[in-house]
This record gives sequence, structure tokens and C-alpha cells, in this order.
Amino acid sequence: SYELTQPPSVSVSPGQTARITCSGDALPNQYAYWYQQKPAQAPVLLVSKGNERPSGIPARFSGSRSGTTVTLTISGVQAEDEADYYCQSADSSGVYSLFGGGTKLTVL
Amino acid sequence: QVQLQESGPGLVKPSETLSLTCTVSDGAISGNYWSWIRRPPGKGLEWIGYIYYSGSTVYNPSLKSRVTISVDASKNQFSLKLSSVTAADTAVYYCAKGGEGFDYWGQGTLVTVSS
Repeated sequence: SYELTQPPSVSVSPGQTARITCSGDALPNQYAYWYQQKPAQAPVLLVSKGNERPSGIPARFSGSRSGTTVTLTISGVQAEDEADYYCQSADSSGVYSLFGGGTKLTVL
Repeated sequence: QVQLQESGPGLVKPSETLSLTCTVSDGAISGNYWSWIRRPPGKGLEWIGYIYYSGSTVYNPSLKSRVTISVDASKNQFSLKLSSVTAADTAVYYCAKGGEGFDYWGQGTLVTVSS
């Protein structure tokens, strides 16, 4: 079955740039979305349709795509950015949604 | 600002049916897609399925045989039923706005499957 693959963990120092990747064969043809989830909170949509930021999301969060990989870039990481991050997209049919396995971002 | 709130039993016995309802702020149901998503303890997010306000549905193939999502636009609510539950269905269940890309979420409700 189709999967979106994320690294389980990424570590970065405050002020540095974090890049979280998500790979899937259908990504060249489907929109990708990114979510942040902190403990005991609901996920928050960070990036929509690959590179659009919803209102209220800081500009330090951005999305990009290269081939079958999409990347969430967090510039100038802050301690408050420590959280789980999920990519989400659709399968090749565009009918079924799915999430990546999630990446835990640790701010050192 | 769309607001969503899940409600339903926090404890369900194995083999029984899990039932949850999501209440949406006034007027928001029409014209939109609405989804259910869950997160089991220690695991990642799993999309369960979505319903359009008119009633058409799409379910995760891995859960399709056990899932029913319905909508009652007159009450600004949509609902989830998951039958024949096991311990593997223990999770925080979220309702969310959207069919692909979820821009508003409920706070989530923990459902434990245990006898």
C-alpha cells in the first residue's frame, strides 16, 4: 500500500534551520500539507497545497517540493517549535488521504 | 473562525461500536468536507474518512468495512461509527474540517477500548 515516509526524528539548535522531508511516489501529482502537533494539543495546519501558509502561521515555516520529496523548512528554529510534524497528501488516485509517520523535532 | 467539538463515550467494550459526534459552529457545515482522524497512543495520525455536507463519503480502505460517517446539517453535526472495535482502536479521535488538507480541528477525545 502507498506510504509517505518521514524521518522519525530531527534535531537542531535554536536559531538554526530545520528541514523535515516526506517522500512518496504520488507527491509530484498531489498536494502536500504539513501539520505541527504539540503534546495534548490538536494538530495545526502549517503549510497548505505545498507552499501556502494559512493566516497566523509565522513566515519561518515554508514548504517546497523536489520530485517525489516534499520538505518543511523551519528557519530560525525556536524552542517553542519542538513538536511532532506530519506531512499529509493523497494517493495516486487522489481519493484517499494519508499521513506520514511523523517526525519529532528536538530543539537542543 | 470555525469551531469543532467532539463528544461521545470515552470507554467502549471490545466487539462493540464506537460512536462519536462532532458539533460544528453555526452555518459552517454547508458547502464543506468534514473528516475524522485518530492518533493511537505512541503512534502517528491516521485518516479515517470524510463526508461532504450533502452526504457522500470516502473511507480509509483499511477501515472501510467497519466505518460509517454521517451528517445532520440541521444540527450542524457529523458523526462517526466504528464497529467491532478492539484494543487497537484505542486512540484520540479528532474531527476536522476538510477532505484533503484539514484547516480546523476539534480538541480531540480519547476513546479507550477495554472490558
